[in-house]
Amino acid sequence: NAGVTQTPKFRILKIGQSMTLQCTQDMNHNYMYWYRQDPGMGLKLIYYSVGAGITDKGEVPNGYNVSRSTTEDFPLRLELAAPSQTSVYFCASSFFGTGEIDEQFFGPGTRLTVL
Amino acid sequence: AQSVSQHNHHVILSEAASLELGCNYSYGGTVNLFWYVQYPGQHLQLLLKYFSGDPLVKGIKGFEAEFIKSKFSFNLRKPSVQWSDTAEYFCAVIPINDYKLSFGAGTTVTVRA
Repeated sequence: NAGVTQTPKFRILKIGQSMTLQCTQDMNHNYMYWYRQDPGMGLKLIYYSVGAGITDKGEVPNGYNVSRSTTEDFPLRLELAAPSQTSVYFCASSFFGTGEIDEQFFGPGTRLTVL
Repeated sequence: AQSVSQHNHHVILSEAASLELGCNYSYGGTVNLFWYVQYPGQHLQLLLKYFSGDPLVKGIKGFEAEFIKSKFSFNLRKPSVQWSDTAEYFCAVIPINDYKLSFGAGTTVTVRA
């Protein structure tokens, strides 16, 4: 199992450019998440998905979009990059069955700088 | 919405010292609790988790945490740290039957050889 994989690892964008951060998991998890991590702020939830075709906003969704066409993939789109979106982005997945949600498994992260 | 507080922003220790990191949450219902660790340049990994049962849980690498329901706390401990424990530690909380994790701001632990 590769677990949760993310591409790219690093990216520098100019203000106004767009890009898609890719996330794939091979654990057949139904729940997937996107977080951003800023120094001293912990992780903030951007968007999440409870299954293919179903997504919802987290705490800080502005400036981002997501889609979930398959169980495995959960890409995050930045349409008009702004300096405030400079951050480290983590994708995560977990399984939620009939009881409680289990731990989240994290990808290696994408370090994005917007200049 | 629940919130998670980690009391220390940065802790500096010498090898073999004991470590305790505080975590408090603000949610009145039943919760599941996690501690994650992020080593320099790496992604978050699970250290330990508490769902129910014995409030003293043991995790990987000699870490343990104690859930005290009356204090809404889930403090992380390690009796004797090593240089390799240098990392950032995150406490996280999720109400039972919810699916959104709330993270604390993190505590950076630096262990000096």
